[in-house]
Amino acid sequence: DAGVIQSPRHEVTEMGQEVTLRCKPISGHDYLFWYRQTMMRGLELLIYFNNNVPIDDSGMPEDRFSAKMPNASFSTLKIQPSEPRDSAVYFCASSQGATNEKLFFGSGTQLSVL
Amino acid sequence: DAKTTQPPSMDCAEGRAANLPCNHSTISGNEYVYWYRQIHSQGPQYIIHGLKNNETNEMASLIITEDRKSSTLILPHATLRDTAVYYCIVRVSGGSNYKLTFGKGTLLTVNP
Repeated sequence: DAGVIQSPRHEVTEMGQEVTLRCKPISGHDYLFWYRQTMMRGLELLIYFNNNVPIDDSGMPEDRFSAKMPNASFSTLKIQPSEPRDSAVYFCASSQGATNEKLFFGSGTQLSVL
Repeated sequence: DAKTTQPPSMDCAEGRAANLPCNHSTISGNEYVYWYRQIHSQGPQYIIHGLKNNETNEMASLIITEDRKSSTLILPHATLRDTAVYYCIVRVSGGSNYKLTFGKGTLLTVNP
């Protein structure tokens, strides 16, 4: 298995622009998580899905952030409009849920908002 | 989930055992201890988890004290590639709560 695949690997954009991050979870995994990592705040859980349904989005910082999972093999995290304080590494992770407690993380997307 | 306390950094000589401590004095009976690590510029990687018995896998061993208030992750023969931030996390297994909350972890530096 190729693991969790995230794209793009790096994204540089200007303030006010829309940013879309993409994630392909491991096949067969029914949980998908979006995390954000910064030096100041460490790793923060933004939102997670179970069977494509958002379960907990309490970590989403504000309305500028939205996440979707249209099917079991694809999820997006969108920021519109982006701001410099959104600069961070965004990780996607997946797991097999109740029978397997391991989270498998992607390589992350390094986002820089200028 | 119970809170964990880890030293911010540790050093280890290559080839020697690395013993990473974690305190979780408020752990409850149904909470597991999980260990993840994050190598620079990569996503976190699962290492091991356990409830009360000691656990061993191909990566590491997990020793949990009898009162479960602390644990130690052991890398038996550390290599330079084991240099990473190691996170100790306590959470309930299963159920409806799938949040995995990462603290600041321990930066382990393996020296040649």
